[in-house]
Amino acid sequence: AQSVTQPDIHITVSEGASLELRCNYSYGATPYLFWYVQSPGQGLQLLLKYFSGDTLVQGIKGFEAEFKRSQSSFNLRKPSVHWSDAAEYFCAVGARIGNQFYFGTGTSLTVIP
Amino acid sequence: EAGVTQFPSHSVIEKGQTVTLRCDPISGHDNLYWYRRVMGKEIKFLLHFVKESKQDESGMPNNRFLAERTGGTYSTLKVQPAELEDSGVYFCASSQALAGGIRYTGELFFGEGSRLTVL
Repeated sequence: AQSVTQPDIHITVSEGASLELRCNYSYGATPYLFWYVQSPGQGLQLLLKYFSGDTLVQGIKGFEAEFKRSQSSFNLRKPSVHWSDAAEYFCAVGARIGNQFYFGTGTSLTVIP
Repeated sequence: EAGVTQFPSHSVIEKGQTVTLRCDPISGHDNLYWYRRVMGKEIKFLLHFVKESKQDESGMPNNRFLAERTGGTYSTLKVQPAELEDSGVYFCASSQALAGGIRYTGELFFGEGSRLTVL
């Protein structure tokens, strides 16, 4: 069965510190992988996506993620967190053809000054 | 260009009442999706429209939920009668369609969600 696991429900980091949000997936075929962010009062915004090719993908707002097939992981990273990065982050996996996305339960990020 | 818009942003109703949520997708997006997030849980797929046709409604929880997309533009999701467990945030998303209808460009554009509270 398809599923996405985000083991960290809530993470707190200091502004300027590095960040890594974990995501593991279970999927029967080669997936599309995504990270979305939801800031307070906003909709879900796409940060980055992986379809194929280079396993290190760059996204908006200075985020990057690395696809590791052997570990079924797609962890999100940022070298230096800004206060405006405080939000909820969702990892998702989708089929190459079709419609359903499978989301994780989300990781809430708090940034302290 | 306007994004995906949802209305209302928040609705509080009593058990047994009816609520209708509306979604206006990005203009020109043939694919429209409804998702739901119950507090603390993952965001779950409800259904998918391609234009006015239901492509996949396998995620609809039960027959108290009715989704429509008349004319292939905006969509409504009606819950009747509402139960306590229906509380959550209902997200609408849209995407472009490529040849074949069910393929997509790989990005869903989400609205801000409609928060439903059933008392």
